[in-house]
Amino acid sequence: GEDVEQSLFLSVREGDSSVINCTYTDSSSTYLYWYKQEPGAGLQLLTYIFSNMDMKQDQRLTVLLNKKDKHLSLRIADTQTGDSAIYFCAGSIYNQGGKLIFGQGTELSVKP
Amino acid sequence: EAGVAQSPRYKIIEKRQSVAFWCNPISGHATLYWYQQILGQGPKLLIQFQNNGVVDDSQLPKDRFSAERLKGVDSTLKIQPAKLEDSAVYLCASSLQTGSGEAFFGQGTRLTVV
Repeated sequence: GEDVEQSLFLSVREGDSSVINCTYTDSSSTYLYWYKQEPGAGLQLLTYIFSNMDMKQDQRLTVLLNKKDKHLSLRIADTQTGDSAIYFCAGSIYNQGGKLIFGQGTELSVKP
Repeated sequence: EAGVAQSPRYKIIEKRQSVAFWCNPISGHATLYWYQQILGQGPKLLIQFQNNGVVDDSQLPKDRFSAERLKGVDSTLKIQPAKLEDSAVYLCASSLQTGSGEAFFGQGTRLTVV
């Protein structure tokens, strides 16, 4: 089955760009997602990309998908202290009902 | 639009006791998911409903966990008897349609089994 892996920690300075990386094993993943989780809160959907796309931009967020290497990244421009959270990459396969397979999460720490 | 509501927010029980969690999805969302998130890990699907039918319960430990979604709206997840390793956050999510995975999550119920 699908396996999703992420690096565990990332620390950046306020105003810098952050890049969070993710690799997945199942090339049949139809959708790939980025979720944000703040302490004590549920998961907030940030953005997603269809598997037939290479890039998607949404304000400060840019998602890049390299299907050949099964690599997904999330770039946050002008990172703010409010962006400090855990970021989860997740994949889903359309004909498997849309269940999400999550990575273990990357903790982003933004220092002023 | 109201989000996914879950209760209680926190629960502490002793091992071998039973516990139940409740979820009210976003109005009109046909698909409902229960995920288990152990500290330091990503969420893992326990069960998925489409309306009031089960789509996927392959990862649900059926000897102790049960879930139902009567009338295709609210859902309850029960653990009986609880084990120490059940300590986790239980997240409920809903989506408008099956297949897209674009799910909206509740705040979760943090369960501690002592």
